[in-house]
Amino acid sequence: DQQVKQNSPSLSVQEGRISILNCDYTNSMFDYFLWYKKYPAEGPTFLISISSIKDKNEDGRFTVFLNKSAKHLSLHIVPSQPGDSAVYFCAASHTGTASKLTFGTGTRLQVTL
Amino acid sequence: KAGVTQTPRYLIKTRGQQVTLSCSPISGHRSVSWYQQTPGQGLQFLFEYFSETQRNKGNFPGRFSGRQFSNSRSEMNVSTLELGDSALYLCASSSGGLKETQYFGPGTRLLVL
Repeated sequence: DQQVKQNSPSLSVQEGRISILNCDYTNSMFDYFLWYKKYPAEGPTFLISISSIKDKNEDGRFTVFLNKSAKHLSLHIVPSQPGDSAVYFCAASHTGTASKLTFGTGTRLQVTL
Repeated sequence: KAGVTQTPRYLIKTRGQQVTLSCSPISGHRSVSWYQQTPGQGLQFLFEYFSETQRNKGNFPGRFSGRQFSNSRSEMNVSTLELGDSALYLCASSSGGLKETQYFGPGTRLLVL
């Protein structure tokens, strides 16, 4: 039962353009969402998070949007840079088991010159 | 602050053996969580320790166990290794509060032959 889904396994974007990565979830108990970036053979690096009481959170080039009614979140990267090329995972947790993150399957982002 | 460290980084074992992996959290963090990453199953939560007690547990067999010491360092043990245990094992630390970001270590790559 995949409670967090990233339906696009890969995405290719030109440098300078916007990258939009999507994530859907099924468990309505989830109330905290995070995005991580991962390079091969390294641990995930935290990017940005959002609580279910908000619908948007920004940090520099990264913005996360949350649509609770649709159980959907997205990560926008503007402008995209070649160093952003990595696998991006969304993750979710709920207050009852706060440290248990449920991860999506990841989207590989390739930023081309 | 130093990040999360994991030792060893790489390990080769044979079926039936046991293995112990170690994780040192970020200074001041009291929660340590363990995750398994495989190509087929993605990133899956194993368990979390907080103040030397297991606080959350994922859906893994009893061959997977862990413990946490008074200095918050944690170890994970896998007994009677199977080929399917080959994976990247990641540990993450946080302060342990609600909606706190988890920061990951570089992982231990385990290969079971």
